[in-house]
Amino acid sequence: GNSVTQMEGPVTLSEEAFLTINCTYTATGYPSLFWYVQYPGEGLQLLLKATKADDKGSNKGFEATYRKETTSFHLEKGSVQVSDSAVYFCALSPFSSGSARQLTFGSGTQLTVLP
Amino acid sequence: EAGVTQFPSHSVIEKGQTVTLRCDPISGHDNLYWYRRVMGKEIKFLLHFVKESKQDESGMPNNRFLAERTGGTYSTLKVQPAELEDSGVYFCASSQAAARVGTQYFGPGTRLLVL
Repeated sequence: GNSVTQMEGPVTLSEEAFLTINCTYTATGYPSLFWYVQYPGEGLQLLLKATKADDKGSNKGFEATYRKETTSFHLEKGSVQVSDSAVYFCALSPFSSGSARQLTFGSGTQLTVLP
Repeated sequence: EAGVTQFPSHSVIEKGQTVTLRCDPISGHDNLYWYRRVMGKEIKFLLHFVKESKQDESGMPNNRFLAERTGGTYSTLKVQPAELEDSGVYFCASSQAAARVGTQYFGPGTRLLVL
């Protein structure tokens, strides 16, 4: 079956530090890959996505590249801010011939950025 | 445009009681999903509606959980009787019908605590 393995947290960084949160996946075919973020007291929000190999998703200074050869989708940001403190979830949606499919999530990584 | 809404935001009940969670998807979204996150673990899929039909309910843990989506609009998830291990955050998400890699928009979640 499909699975997502995500870097264990929590992660604590100082403001302006470089962030990497590792994510690897197991899936048949060509899944689509996502990063969702949950800010304190809020629901999940889509941060970025990539639908095919070598695609790079980016948003709010965050980037992730779909690497099929290493089955990875690591999240990076060059300079984190206090406002980036949140829980980050890596997720995949399996290949589909036309209909929507459920998401499979990683366990989430709590990020705390200190001023 | 209103986002996905969920009610209640929190619920505290005793073991053996019944709780009903409600989700209102984004207007016009045919796909509606239920997920839950238990004890800070990964977010797990429960079931998927397409309009009023259950497309996939493979993630429903047992027959104490009953989901409905009458008329293809809002959905309810009833837990009867609730057990301690049902505690967690229940998320609802919706997406458009025709998008293969349609972004799933999540609600803020319902935090359920069973005592």
